[in-house]
Amino acid sequence: AQKITQTQPGMFVQEKEAVTLDCTYDTSDPSYGLFWYKQPSSGEMIFLIYQGSYDQQNATEGRYSLNFQKARKSANLVISASQLGDSAMYFCALRGDYKLSFGAGTTVTVRA
Amino acid sequence: DTGVSQDPRHKITKRGQNVTFRCDPISEHNRLYWYRQTLGQGPEFLTYFQNEAQLEKSRLLSDRFSAERPKGSFSTLEIQRTEQGDSAMYLCASSSRDKPNEKLFFGSGTQLSVL
Repeated sequence: AQKITQTQPGMFVQEKEAVTLDCTYDTSDPSYGLFWYKQPSSGEMIFLIYQGSYDQQNATEGRYSLNFQKARKSANLVISASQLGDSAMYFCALRGDYKLSFGAGTTVTVRA
Repeated sequence: DTGVSQDPRHKITKRGQNVTFRCDPISEHNRLYWYRQTLGQGPEFLTYFQNEAQLEKSRLLSDRFSAERPKGSFSTLEIQRTEQGDSAMYLCASSSRDKPNEKLFFGSGTQLSVL
């Protein structure tokens, strides 16, 4: 069974500052992938970044980086230089084979 | 790549009515998923197809729910005798492989409101 835990229901961040979104997980799969998706108020799920369980380096995609600590089973998302358009719900998700399992999400509100 | 399409975007129905949603995955993707998302929560897995075969159904998928993918392309999700608790966003996603590094591509969802 797979479990994703996001303990921050909501966060406020000042424009141009960085914000860290927490994600812990549990899985029995030896090989797995961790994903972060963004869901704005319009509803679509937008892929942000991926980290493989065997990747040696932390993933980065533009302003997004993933702080992956395998021993602690955590995969925190860091958004640098926040923009007003970053206001959305953010989901951490885990994939073992075919199914993607999601956490409850964190709502991020960027203040001007 | 036209993305995953879902129709309709919004559906309002009265309790007890039947509704059907359609999903068109990315054309070369043979894996298709349905998820349900209630307000303020993460998407919950409902069911999964590989080509036309439905390989897993969540216990969330009661006998009032049925999903099909008859030709391995588009899929439909039908809810019979809708209840107010069925009100949610229904998301469809597709992917090309069953690998941990393969991301799912999502449609914009169908928002169902049962009155």
